[in-house]
Amino acid sequence: GAVVSQHPSRVICKSGTSVKIECRSLDFQATTMFWYRQFPKQSLMLMATSNEGSKATYEQGVEKDKFLINHASLTLSTLTVTSAHPEDSSFYICSAVPLAGGDRPEQFFGPGTRLTVL
Amino acid sequence: GNSVTQMEGPVTLSEEAFLTINCTYTATGYPSLFWYVQYPGEGLQLLLKATKADDKGSNKGFEATYRKETTSFHLEKGSVQVSDSAVYFCALSSGYSSASKIIFGSGTRLSIRP
Repeated sequence: GAVVSQHPSRVICKSGTSVKIECRSLDFQATTMFWYRQFPKQSLMLMATSNEGSKATYEQGVEKDKFLINHASLTLSTLTVTSAHPEDSSFYICSAVPLAGGDRPEQFFGPGTRLTVL
Repeated sequence: GNSVTQMEGPVTLSEEAFLTINCTYTATGYPSLFWYVQYPGEGLQLLLKATKADDKGSNKGFEATYRKETTSFHLEKGSVQVSDSAVYFCALSSGYSSASKIIFGSGTRLSIRP
Protein backbone atom coordinates (compact mmCIF):
# COMPACT_ATOMS: atom_id res chain seq x y z
CA GLY A 1 0.00 0.00 0.00
CA ALA A 2 0.82 3.73 -0.09
CA VAL A 3 2.31 3.78 -3.58
CA VAL A 4 3.10 7.03 -5.33
CA SER A 5 3.83 7.10 -9.03
CA GLN A 6 5.33 9.76 -11.26
CA HIS A 7 5.04 10.16 -14.99
CA PRO A 8 7.14 10.41 -17.00
CA SER A 9 10.17 8.85 -15.37
CA ARG A 10 12.47 10.61 -17.83
CA VAL A 11 11.90 13.46 -20.21
CA ILE A 12 14.14 15.34 -22.59
CA CYS A 13 12.92 18.60 -24.04
CA LYS A 14 14.16 21.58 -26.00
CA SER A 15 14.88 24.89 -24.35
CA GLY A 16 11.81 27.12 -24.28
CA THR A 17 9.24 24.35 -24.16
CA SER A 18 7.06 23.42 -21.21
CA VAL A 19 7.04 20.06 -19.49
CA LYS A 20 4.35 18.57 -17.27
CA ILE A 21 5.15 16.01 -14.58
CA GLU A 22 2.37 14.04 -12.90
CA CYS A 23 2.36 12.71 -9.37
CA ARG A 24 -0.33 10.19 -8.43
CA SER A 25 -1.20 8.43 -5.20
CA LEU A 26 -2.30 5.03 -6.47
CA ASP A 27 -4.02 3.47 -3.48
CA PHE A 28 -4.83 6.36 -1.18
CA GLN A 29 -6.15 9.89 -1.20
CA ALA A 30 -3.69 12.63 -0.38
CA THR A 31 -4.48 15.87 1.38
CA THR A 32 -1.03 17.23 0.79
CA MET A 33 1.62 16.63 -1.82
CA PHE A 34 5.13 17.99 -1.80
CA TRP A 35 7.44 18.69 -4.73
CA TYR A 36 11.21 18.40 -4.35
CA ARG A 37 14.16 19.00 -6.61
CA GLN A 38 17.41 17.07 -6.35
CA PHE A 39 20.64 18.11 -8.02
CA PRO A 40 23.36 15.49 -8.62
CA LYS A 41 25.00 14.39 -5.39
CA GLN A 42 22.98 16.92 -3.44
CA SER A 43 20.09 16.89 -1.06
CA LEU A 44 16.42 17.05 -1.90
CA MET A 45 15.24 20.64 -1.75
CA LEU A 46 11.58 21.33 -1.10
CA MET A 47 10.08 23.46 -3.86
CA ALA A 48 6.46 23.72 -2.84
CA THR A 49 3.64 22.28 -0.80
CA SER A 50 0.46 21.46 -2.67
CA ASN A 51 -2.97 21.09 -1.05
CA GLU A 52 -5.96 19.82 -2.99
CA GLY A 53 -8.22 22.60 -4.15
CA SER A 54 -6.00 25.47 -3.08
CA LYS A 55 -2.97 27.32 -4.32
CA ALA A 56 0.42 25.81 -3.71
CA THR A 57 2.79 27.30 -1.17
CA TYR A 58 6.21 27.90 -2.65
CA GLU A 59 9.50 27.95 -0.81
CA GLN A 60 11.62 31.04 -0.86
CA GLY A 61 13.50 31.42 -4.10
CA VAL A 62 11.21 29.16 -6.14
CA GLU A 63 9.46 31.01 -8.97
CA LYS A 64 5.78 30.17 -8.90
CA ASP A 65 5.28 31.33 -12.48
CA LYS A 66 8.10 29.09 -13.60
CA PHE A 67 7.00 25.99 -11.72
CA LEU A 68 3.22 25.74 -11.95
CA ILE A 69 1.59 23.32 -9.55
CA ASN A 70 -1.95 22.06 -9.84
CA HIS A 71 -3.51 19.75 -7.28
CA ALA A 72 -6.84 19.12 -8.92
CA SER A 73 -7.87 15.98 -7.08
CA LEU A 74 -6.99 13.99 -3.98
CA THR A 75 -4.89 11.61 -6.07
CA LEU A 76 -3.17 13.84 -8.59
CA SER A 77 -0.79 16.78 -8.50
CA THR A 78 1.04 18.14 -11.53
CA LEU A 79 4.18 20.21 -11.83
CA THR A 80 4.66 22.14 -15.06
CA VAL A 81 8.06 23.58 -15.80
CA THR A 82 7.33 26.49 -18.11
CA SER A 83 9.76 27.77 -20.72
CA ALA A 84 12.35 25.28 -19.58
CA HIS A 85 16.04 26.11 -19.74
CA PRO A 86 19.11 23.91 -19.29
CA GLU A 87 19.50 25.05 -15.68
CA ASP A 88 16.10 23.49 -14.94
CA SER A 89 17.56 20.08 -15.69
CA SER A 90 17.25 18.11 -12.50
CA PHE A 91 15.58 15.21 -10.72
CA TYR A 92 12.08 16.12 -9.52
CA ILE A 93 10.49 14.07 -6.76
CA CYS A 94 7.02 14.27 -5.31
CA SER A 95 5.58 12.92 -2.09
CA ALA A 96 2.06 12.51 -0.78
CA VAL A 97 0.49 12.41 2.68
CA PRO A 98 -2.53 10.12 3.09
CA LEU A 99 -5.84 11.70 3.97
CA ALA A 100 -6.41 8.99 6.57
CA GLY A 101 -2.98 9.22 8.08
CA GLY A 102 -3.85 8.69 11.67
CA ASP A 103 -2.03 10.55 14.41
CA ARG A 104 1.35 10.08 12.77
CA PRO A 105 0.90 10.75 9.08
CA GLU A 106 3.80 10.09 6.80
CA GLN A 107 5.06 11.28 3.43
CA PHE A 108 5.27 8.61 0.74
CA PHE A 109 7.63 9.38 -2.11
CA GLY A 110 7.41 8.85 -5.83
CA PRO A 111 10.33 7.40 -7.83
CA GLY A 112 11.23 10.74 -9.36
CA THR A 113 11.35 12.27 -12.83
CA ARG A 114 14.61 13.14 -14.51
CA LEU A 115 14.28 16.23 -16.67
CA THR A 116 16.94 17.12 -19.21
CA VAL A 117 16.61 20.40 -21.09
CA LEU A 118 18.73 20.71 -24.20
CA GLY B 1 17.55 27.81 10.17
CA ASN B 2 17.19 24.08 10.44
CA SER B 3 19.77 21.92 8.69
CA VAL B 4 21.10 18.38 8.48
CA THR B 5 24.69 17.33 7.90
CA GLN B 6 25.61 13.76 7.09
CA MET B 7 28.86 12.08 6.18
CA GLU B 8 29.81 12.18 2.57
CA GLY B 9 30.00 9.03 0.58
CA PRO B 10 30.42 6.86 -1.12
CA VAL B 11 30.89 4.29 1.59
CA THR B 12 32.05 0.85 0.47
CA LEU B 13 32.02 -2.08 2.87
CA SER B 14 32.32 -5.84 2.71
CA GLU B 15 29.32 -7.98 3.51
CA GLU B 16 28.81 -8.54 7.26
CA ALA B 17 30.82 -5.43 8.17
CA PHE B 18 29.60 -2.94 10.77
CA LEU B 19 28.05 0.22 9.39
CA THR B 20 27.89 3.73 10.80
CA ILE B 21 26.66 6.73 8.86
CA ASN B 22 26.99 9.91 10.87
CA CYS B 23 24.30 12.54 10.96
CA THR B 24 24.09 15.76 12.94
CA TYR B 25 21.43 18.41 12.88
CA THR B 26 20.74 22.02 13.73
CA ALA B 27 17.23 22.90 14.74
CA THR B 28 15.17 25.01 17.06
CA GLY B 29 12.79 23.26 19.37
CA TYR B 30 12.33 19.52 19.26
CA PRO B 31 12.38 18.16 15.72
CA SER B 32 11.50 14.67 14.60
CA LEU B 33 14.38 12.80 12.98
CA PHE B 34 14.29 10.31 10.13
CA TRP B 35 16.42 8.07 8.00
CA TYR B 36 15.22 7.46 4.46
CA VAL B 37 16.64 4.94 2.00
CA GLN B 38 16.55 5.10 -1.78
CA TYR B 39 17.23 1.83 -3.57
CA PRO B 40 18.32 2.00 -7.23
CA GLY B 41 15.46 3.04 -9.47
CA GLU B 42 13.00 3.46 -6.60
CA GLY B 43 11.51 6.28 -4.55
CA LEU B 44 12.58 7.24 -1.06
CA GLN B 45 11.32 4.96 1.69
CA LEU B 46 11.16 5.74 5.37
CA LEU B 47 13.66 3.45 7.10
CA LEU B 48 13.22 4.56 10.69
CA LYS B 49 12.33 7.54 12.81
CA ALA B 50 12.51 9.03 16.30
CA THR B 51 10.32 11.81 17.59
CA LYS B 52 11.92 12.73 20.92
CA ALA B 53 15.23 12.73 22.71
CA ASP B 54 16.67 9.30 23.59
CA ASP B 55 14.20 7.52 21.33
CA LYS B 56 15.71 4.73 19.29
CA GLY B 57 14.33 4.03 15.85
CA SER B 58 14.94 0.60 14.35
CA ASN B 59 14.02 -1.34 11.25
CA LYS B 60 15.57 -4.12 9.14
CA GLY B 61 18.53 -4.36 11.51
CA PHE B 62 19.27 -0.63 11.30
CA GLU B 63 19.18 1.55 14.41
CA ALA B 64 19.55 5.23 15.22
CA THR B 65 19.24 7.01 18.56
CA TYR B 66 18.03 10.59 18.93
CA ARG B 67 20.82 12.31 20.92
CA LYS B 68 19.84 15.82 21.84
CA GLU B 69 23.03 16.54 23.77
CA THR B 70 25.15 15.92 20.69
CA THR B 71 22.41 16.83 18.16
CA SER B 72 23.07 13.57 16.38
CA PHE B 73 21.12 10.69 14.84
CA HIS B 74 23.78 8.27 13.56
CA LEU B 75 22.63 5.25 11.58
CA GLU B 76 24.13 1.87 12.52
CA LYS B 77 23.84 -1.74 11.45
CA GLY B 78 25.80 -4.60 12.90
CA SER B 79 26.15 -6.72 9.78
CA VAL B 80 25.40 -5.29 6.36
CA GLN B 81 24.22 -7.25 3.36
CA VAL B 82 24.61 -6.69 -0.36
CA SER B 83 20.92 -5.82 -0.47
CA ASP B 84 21.60 -2.81 1.78
CA SER B 85 23.36 -1.05 -1.09
CA ALA B 86 21.45 2.19 -1.56
CA VAL B 87 21.53 5.92 -0.84
CA TYR B 88 20.67 6.87 2.74
CA PHE B 89 19.27 10.27 3.70
CA CYS B 90 19.12 11.71 7.18
CA ALA B 91 16.29 14.18 7.63
CA LEU B 92 14.37 16.25 10.13
CA SER B 93 10.95 17.74 10.46
CA SER B 94 9.93 20.43 12.86
CA GLY B 95 6.51 18.83 13.04
CA TYR B 96 5.53 15.73 14.94
CA SER B 97 5.50 13.62 11.80
CA SER B 98 6.93 13.53 8.33
CA ALA B 99 3.73 15.07 7.02
CA SER B 100 5.35 18.39 7.80
CA LYS B 101 8.10 20.01 5.78
CA ILE B 102 11.20 17.79 5.73
CA ILE B 103 14.79 18.98 5.52
CA PHE B 104 17.15 16.40 4.07
CA GLY B 105 20.85 15.81 4.35
CA SER B 106 22.88 15.39 1.19
CA GLY B 107 22.66 11.60 1.17
CA THR B 108 25.28 8.89 1.57
CA ARG B 109 25.72 6.23 -1.07
CA LEU B 110 26.45 2.83 0.43
CA SER B 111 27.90 -0.04 -1.61
CA ILE B 112 28.32 -3.50 -0.11
CA ARG B 113 30.77 -5.95 -1.67
CA PRO B 114 29.89 -9.66 -1.60
